[in-house]
Amino acid sequence: DAGVIQSPRHEVTEMGQEVTLRCKPISGHNSLFWYRQTMMRGLELLIYFNNNVPIDDSGMPEDRFSAKMPNASFSTLKIQPSEPRDSAVYFCASTLTGTDYGYTFGSGTRLTVV
Amino acid sequence: GDSVTQMEGPVTLSEEAFLTINCTYTATGYPSLFWYVQYPGEGLQLLLKATKADDKGSNKGFEATYRKETTSFHLEKGSVQVSDSAVYFCALTGAAGNKLTFGGGTRVLVKP
Repeated sequence: DAGVIQSPRHEVTEMGQEVTLRCKPISGHNSLFWYRQTMMRGLELLIYFNNNVPIDDSGMPEDRFSAKMPNASFSTLKIQPSEPRDSAVYFCASTLTGTDYGYTFGSGTRLTVV
Repeated sequence: GDSVTQMEGPVTLSEEAFLTINCTYTATGYPSLFWYVQYPGEGLQLLLKATKADDKGSNKGFEATYRKETTSFHLEKGSVQVSDSAVYFCALTGAAGNKLTFGGGTRVLVKP
Protein backbone atom coordinates (compact mmCIF):
# COMPACT_ATOMS: atom_id res chain seq x y z
CA ASP A 1 0.00 0.00 0.00
CA ALA A 2 1.31 3.45 -0.89
CA GLY A 3 0.05 4.96 2.34
CA VAL A 4 -1.74 8.28 2.63
CA ILE A 5 -0.69 10.48 -0.27
CA GLN A 6 -0.68 14.25 -0.02
CA SER A 7 0.08 16.81 -2.68
CA PRO A 8 1.83 19.07 -3.14
CA ARG A 9 4.69 18.51 -0.66
CA HIS A 10 5.54 22.19 -0.67
CA GLU A 11 3.48 25.20 -1.66
CA VAL A 12 4.54 28.82 -1.69
CA THR A 13 1.87 31.34 -2.52
CA GLU A 14 1.17 35.01 -2.21
CA MET A 15 -1.23 36.42 0.29
CA GLY A 16 -4.75 36.56 -1.12
CA GLN A 17 -4.34 33.61 -3.44
CA GLU A 18 -6.38 30.44 -3.28
CA VAL A 19 -4.60 27.31 -2.11
CA THR A 20 -5.83 23.74 -2.51
CA LEU A 21 -4.28 20.83 -0.68
CA ARG A 22 -5.05 17.27 -1.72
CA CYS A 23 -5.18 13.95 0.06
CA LYS A 24 -5.69 10.35 -1.00
CA PRO A 25 -6.41 8.10 2.01
CA ILE A 26 -5.52 4.44 2.31
CA SER A 27 -7.89 2.26 0.34
CA GLY A 28 -10.51 0.78 2.65
CA HIS A 29 -10.15 3.42 5.35
CA ASN A 30 -13.40 5.26 6.00
CA SER A 31 -12.31 8.11 8.27
CA LEU A 32 -10.16 11.01 7.14
CA PHE A 33 -8.66 13.80 9.19
CA TRP A 34 -7.00 17.12 8.36
CA TYR A 35 -4.48 18.51 10.85
CA ARG A 36 -2.40 21.65 10.93
CA GLN A 37 0.98 21.78 12.68
CA THR A 38 2.80 24.92 13.77
CA MET A 39 5.52 25.57 16.31
CA MET A 40 3.25 27.84 18.31
CA ARG A 41 0.08 25.75 18.39
CA GLY A 42 1.33 22.22 17.82
CA LEU A 43 -1.04 19.77 16.13
CA GLU A 44 -4.58 21.03 15.59
CA LEU A 45 -7.44 18.96 14.22
CA LEU A 46 -9.20 21.02 11.58
CA ILE A 47 -11.92 18.66 10.35
CA TYR A 48 -12.70 15.01 10.03
CA PHE A 49 -14.89 12.92 7.77
CA ASN A 50 -16.53 9.58 8.31
CA ASN A 51 -17.77 7.76 5.21
CA ASN A 52 -17.18 10.98 3.22
CA VAL A 53 -19.44 13.02 5.52
CA PRO A 54 -17.97 15.87 7.58
CA ILE A 55 -18.47 14.99 11.24
CA ASP A 56 -16.63 17.69 13.15
CA ASP A 57 -15.35 20.91 11.60
CA SER A 58 -15.08 22.85 14.84
CA GLY A 59 -11.34 23.19 14.34
CA MET A 60 -11.59 25.00 11.03
CA PRO A 61 -10.17 28.44 11.80
CA GLU A 62 -12.63 30.56 9.85
CA ASP A 63 -14.70 30.77 6.74
CA ARG A 64 -11.62 31.07 4.58
CA PHE A 65 -11.05 27.35 5.13
CA SER A 66 -13.19 24.69 3.51
CA ALA A 67 -12.81 20.94 3.04
CA LYS A 68 -14.53 18.41 0.83
CA MET A 69 -14.51 14.68 0.39
CA PRO A 70 -16.37 13.91 -2.84
CA ASN A 71 -15.56 10.19 -2.65
CA ALA A 72 -13.80 7.65 -0.49
CA SER A 73 -10.45 8.11 -2.20
CA PHE A 74 -10.01 11.87 -2.32
CA SER A 75 -10.25 14.95 -0.13
CA THR A 76 -9.30 18.59 -0.50
CA LEU A 77 -8.61 21.39 1.92
CA LYS A 78 -8.99 24.84 0.40
CA ILE A 79 -7.91 28.21 1.77
CA GLN A 80 -9.34 31.29 0.06
CA PRO A 81 -7.97 33.89 0.46
CA SER A 82 -4.73 32.75 2.05
CA GLU A 83 -2.94 34.80 4.70
CA PRO A 84 0.62 34.64 6.09
CA ARG A 85 -0.70 33.23 9.37
CA ASP A 86 -1.90 30.16 7.47
CA SER A 87 1.72 29.14 6.94
CA ALA A 88 2.07 25.68 8.50
CA VAL A 89 2.42 22.01 7.70
CA TYR A 90 -0.91 20.44 6.88
CA PHE A 91 -1.32 16.72 7.45
CA CYS A 92 -3.96 14.33 6.27
CA ALA A 93 -4.55 11.04 8.10
CA SER A 94 -6.90 8.12 7.64
CA THR A 95 -8.12 5.14 9.63
CA LEU A 96 -10.77 2.43 9.66
CA THR A 97 -13.57 3.19 12.10
CA GLY A 98 -14.15 0.68 14.87
CA THR A 99 -10.60 -0.60 14.93
CA ASP A 100 -7.64 0.37 17.08
CA TYR A 101 -5.26 0.59 14.14
CA GLY A 102 -4.51 4.20 14.92
CA TYR A 103 -4.12 6.76 12.20
CA THR A 104 -1.89 6.59 9.15
CA PHE A 105 -0.51 10.02 8.33
CA GLY A 106 0.62 11.44 5.05
CA SER A 107 3.94 13.22 4.70
CA GLY A 108 2.28 16.61 4.88
CA THR A 109 2.13 19.76 2.78
CA ARG A 110 4.34 22.63 3.89
CA LEU A 111 2.48 25.81 3.06
CA THR A 112 4.21 29.18 3.03
CA VAL A 113 2.11 32.28 2.40
CA VAL A 114 4.20 35.37 1.68
CA GLY B 1 -13.16 17.10 27.34
CA ASP B 2 -10.32 14.72 26.65
CA SER B 3 -6.78 16.00 27.07
CA VAL B 4 -3.20 14.73 27.02
CA THR B 5 -0.27 16.31 28.86
CA GLN B 6 3.29 15.34 28.15
CA MET B 7 6.60 16.66 29.35
CA GLU B 8 8.04 19.56 27.47
CA GLY B 9 11.31 19.17 25.65
CA PRO B 10 13.75 19.25 24.34
CA VAL B 11 15.19 16.18 25.98
CA THR B 12 18.88 15.80 25.20
CA LEU B 13 20.58 12.47 25.82
CA SER B 14 23.76 10.66 24.99
CA GLU B 15 23.67 7.47 22.96
CA GLU B 16 22.82 4.37 25.04
CA ALA B 17 21.16 6.45 27.75
CA PHE B 18 17.75 5.58 29.21
CA LEU B 19 14.82 7.59 27.91
CA THR B 20 11.55 8.34 29.70
CA ILE B 21 8.86 10.66 28.37
CA ASN B 22 6.00 11.25 30.76
CA CYS B 23 2.41 11.32 29.53
CA THR B 24 -0.78 11.72 31.53
CA TYR B 25 -4.32 11.97 30.28
CA THR B 26 -7.82 13.01 31.15
CA ALA B 27 -10.68 11.19 29.48
CA THR B 28 -14.11 9.78 30.18
CA GLY B 29 -14.56 6.06 29.91
CA TYR B 30 -11.75 3.82 28.76
CA PRO B 31 -9.60 5.46 26.11
CA SER B 32 -7.12 3.73 23.84
CA LEU B 33 -3.62 5.20 24.19
CA PHE B 34 -0.97 5.74 21.54
CA TRP B 35 2.54 7.00 21.02
CA TYR B 36 3.42 8.51 17.67
CA VAL B 37 6.86 9.53 16.43
CA GLN B 38 7.67 12.25 13.92
CA TYR B 39 11.08 12.25 12.28
CA PRO B 40 12.32 15.49 10.71
CA GLY B 41 10.41 16.43 7.57
CA GLU B 42 8.00 13.52 7.86
CA GLY B 43 4.49 12.80 9.02
CA LEU B 44 3.60 11.07 12.27
CA GLN B 45 4.06 7.32 12.51
CA LEU B 46 2.37 5.04 14.99
CA LEU B 47 5.02 3.77 17.41
CA LEU B 48 2.95 1.71 19.83
CA LYS B 49 -0.48 1.48 21.41
CA ALA B 50 -2.43 0.01 24.33
CA THR B 51 -6.17 -0.42 24.41
CA LYS B 52 -6.94 -1.40 28.01
CA ALA B 53 -5.60 -1.01 31.51
CA ASP B 54 -2.31 -2.77 32.28
CA ASP B 55 -1.64 -3.44 28.58
CA LYS B 56 1.93 -2.86 27.54
CA GLY B 57 2.64 -1.59 24.04
CA SER B 58 6.09 -2.16 22.59
CA ASN B 59 7.93 -1.55 19.34
CA LYS B 60 11.54 -0.88 18.27
CA GLY B 61 12.75 -1.16 21.87
CA PHE B 62 10.20 1.36 23.15
CA GLU B 63 7.63 0.40 25.76
CA ALA B 64 4.67 2.04 27.47
CA THR B 65 2.20 0.62 30.01
CA TYR B 66 -1.40 1.77 30.31
CA ARG B 67 -1.82 2.77 33.96
CA LYS B 68 -5.43 3.58 34.70
CA GLU B 69 -4.86 4.26 38.39
CA THR B 70 -2.41 7.06 37.60
CA THR B 71 -3.93 7.93 34.18
CA SER B 72 -0.49 7.65 32.64
CA PHE B 73 1.20 6.13 29.60
CA HIS B 74 4.89 6.91 29.96
CA LEU B 75 7.22 6.02 27.11
CA GLU B 76 10.55 4.32 27.88
CA LYS B 77 13.54 2.99 26.01
CA GLY B 78 16.50 1.40 27.69
CA SER B 79 19.26 2.42 25.28
CA VAL B 80 18.64 5.18 22.76
CA GLN B 81 20.40 5.66 19.45
CA VAL B 82 21.07 8.76 17.41
CA SER B 83 18.36 7.55 15.02
CA ASP B 84 15.79 7.91 17.81
CA SER B 85 16.08 11.70 17.59
CA ALA B 86 12.56 12.82 16.77
CA VAL B 87 9.42 14.37 18.23
CA TYR B 88 7.24 12.00 20.22
CA PHE B 89 3.49 12.51 20.65
CA CYS B 90 1.22 10.86 23.19
CA ALA B 91 -2.40 10.55 22.10
CA LEU B 92 -5.73 8.97 22.99
CA THR B 93 -9.06 8.09 21.45
CA GLY B 94 -11.81 8.60 23.96
CA ALA B 95 -15.54 8.25 24.16
CA ALA B 96 -15.96 10.09 20.87
CA GLY B 97 -14.55 7.09 19.10
CA ASN B 98 -11.83 7.42 16.52
CA LYS B 99 -11.00 11.09 17.06
CA LEU B 100 -7.41 11.32 18.32
CA THR B 101 -6.43 13.88 20.95
CA PHE B 102 -2.70 14.66 20.94
CA GLY B 103 -0.33 15.97 23.54
CA GLY B 104 1.99 18.84 22.66
CA GLY B 105 4.89 16.62 21.62
CA THR B 106 8.34 16.12 23.14
CA ARG B 107 11.44 16.69 21.07
CA VAL B 108 14.24 14.20 21.79
CA LEU B 109 17.81 14.76 20.65
CA VAL B 110 20.31 11.93 21.02
CA LYS B 111 23.95 12.87 20.70
CA PRO B 112 26.69 10.42 19.73
